[in-house]
Amino acid sequence: NAGVTQTPKFRVLKTGQSMTLLCAQDMNHEYMYWYRQDPGMGLRLIHYSVGEGTTAKGEVPDGYNVSRLKKQNFLLGLESAAPSQTSVYFCASSRDRGGSSTDTQYFGPGTRLTVL
Amino acid sequence: ELKVEQNPLFLSMQEGKNYTIYCNYSTTSDRLYWYRQDPGKSLESLFVLLSNGAVKQEGRLMASLDTKARLSTLHITAAVHDLSATYFCAVDINFGNEKLTFGTGTRLTIIP
Repeated sequence: NAGVTQTPKFRVLKTGQSMTLLCAQDMNHEYMYWYRQDPGMGLRLIHYSVGEGTTAKGEVPDGYNVSRLKKQNFLLGLESAAPSQTSVYFCASSRDRGGSSTDTQYFGPGTRLTVL
Repeated sequence: ELKVEQNPLFLSMQEGKNYTIYCNYSTTSDRLYWYRQDPGKSLESLFVLLSNGAVKQEGRLMASLDTKARLSTLHITAAVHDLSATYFCAVDINFGNEKLTFGTGTRLTIIP
């Protein structure tokens, strides 16, 4: 049971280039999330999904797109990277809301992205 | 707009001492989470607090939730070096959706 995995771990892009970050989970979770973490700002939600085929905007969605074609995968795309998108990106997943103490989000190891 | 504030932002404490990290939030919620992050690592879930008055304890850490005051605390007892990390609280106000709003984190350093 690998939990939540992210690919790649590190990436350097030039301004205007595009890339896709892949998140995979093997816990059969319905919900998946993409966050970015910047110094002094905690984590901010980019996009999320409440099930296969669904996506929704979070707090900072501009410049990003997502897709959830399979339940276990959640992709984050940057169509034209900008230096302001330099950040550490975390994917997370959680099961349906059941009101129990195990309904927490499980995080992947992160992707460190630098845009020059 | 939901705001989640933690204080202090930075905390250095000696081994063996006790201290408390505070998490205030601006909108009604009855679900609050605490996470730990080691430098360069991912976030690890510590506590899930689901109702007013909830108290959870794990080792030297104890978390509590007062929904009326919109306040959660993370209390550290007899700190040890291994507890050095950044601690985040996160609040959920969308029941059935589990979108979390995170605080900015408290960087805790335990000094021998």
